[in-house]
Amino acid sequence: SAVISQKPSRDICQRGTSLTIQCQVDSQVTMMFWYRQQPGQSLTLIATANQGSEATYESGFVIDKFPISRPNLTFSTLTVSNMSPEDSSIYLCSVVHQGTDTQYFGPGTRLTVL
Amino acid sequence: DQQVKQNSPSLSVQEGRISILNCDYTNSMFDYFLWYKKYPAEGPTFLISISSIKDKNEDGRFTVFLNKSAKHLSLHIVPSQPGDSAVYFCAARGLSGSARQLTFGSGTQLTVLP
Repeated sequence: SAVISQKPSRDICQRGTSLTIQCQVDSQVTMMFWYRQQPGQSLTLIATANQGSEATYESGFVIDKFPISRPNLTFSTLTVSNMSPEDSSIYLCSVVHQGTDTQYFGPGTRLTVL
Repeated sequence: DQQVKQNSPSLSVQEGRISILNCDYTNSMFDYFLWYKKYPAEGPTFLISISSIKDKNEDGRFTVFLNKSAKHLSLHIVPSQPGDSAVYFCAARGLSGSARQLTFGSGTQLTVLP
């Protein structure tokens, strides 16, 4: 399995500010995803982070609000822009290795917006 | 429309007994199913998976059963241990393209009583 780290592990932010979350994987992976888990809810896919090109966003999520970078096969960032209290969630990075079907998750970043 | 449903938000089981967690799906294009365990303040941990060509997969104390005709899968944990107390998510995925992204159920909180 992949070892996935995320920074920061948690943060408390003010309304209107932005936060960038980093995801680092210990090996090259084919697919990287960003998920959100709002309080008491299941996991919702935000976008697929594509290496060298723009991320693919799911319905309800847009690049201006959640810009994503993936400069190489082991690293990605998700920015939560112009935050509001509704953005308070756990944000999770997830990866799939080439040739496998299993998807692994990072430890998550717990974001609280005041 | 929820394509993956976990109708029991919580389940309590005595230590040593069997835990059975259930999951139903509606999309007949799903061909791969996974179970994840999630502790508070951590990311989901992959437990076990099953392909649609099988009806059973076993790994130690964990067994997943798939009934394609009923569009139902279940996770059996036996014997249950207090450390198994967590939220369990089932997830499903299709064959190709955007269908390969995981769709999650809403989760079941399992409590194993000592």
